[in-house]
Amino acid sequence: DTEVTQTPKHLVMGMTNKKSLKCEQHMGHRAMYWYKQKAKKPPELMFVYSYEKLSINESVPSRFSPECPNSSLLNLHLHALQPEDSALYLCASSQRGPPLGEQFFGPGTRLTVL
Amino acid sequence: QKEVEQNSGPLSVPEGAIASLNCTYSDRVSQSFFWYRQYSGKSPELIMSIYSNGDKEDGRFTAQLNKASQYVSLLIRDSQPSDSATYLCAVGAGNQFYFGTGTSLTVIP
Repeated sequence: DTEVTQTPKHLVMGMTNKKSLKCEQHMGHRAMYWYKQKAKKPPELMFVYSYEKLSINESVPSRFSPECPNSSLLNLHLHALQPEDSALYLCASSQRGPPLGEQFFGPGTRLTVL
Repeated sequence: QKEVEQNSGPLSVPEGAIASLNCTYSDRVSQSFFWYRQYSGKSPELIMSIYSNGDKEDGRFTAQLNKASQYVSLLIRDSQPSDSATYLCAVGAGNQFYFGTGTSLTVIP
């Protein structure tokens, strides 16, 4: 299995809602990542888990909360988001952690905050 | 501030031609270099990785790295209309990855 899967594909939420994005990989990769991508912009790194430990948090607002239950799963919990948080949220994984790992991306979750 | 710069394009080439995509980076201690292809509305797809100076070939793709000049390029031979996409350069430095803004490539049939 060489895929990174993400659910849901699309999510619409209000500013008072709580929701979660899920990511799964079965490639035995030991690093997993959350990125945010706005239209016509490059992906921006939000969080990195390496061996299930949070190793990088790019000063992301606390309304985004990552969780890595095990080496195959990565969640992103969302609470009290703002309309400017609307974006494509990408999960990626790599066999080696940064800066060397080749990252494989999931299809993304397109999030709209009303 | 670590920077990765790419010409945003658009770059247009006829079908069958060689497309040349360029990327420069500011951090001299960068260790890894990647090219991703991203179709509109889709996620990035890894094309090539390169870690040492010189050329690396994979099918129609060749990545070239020159650390002294802080420059990495991607050549696409025999370009096909299906190669039309945005190409993202990414650099690994420290414990992070930095992406360029991408070059839009259009291959004209």
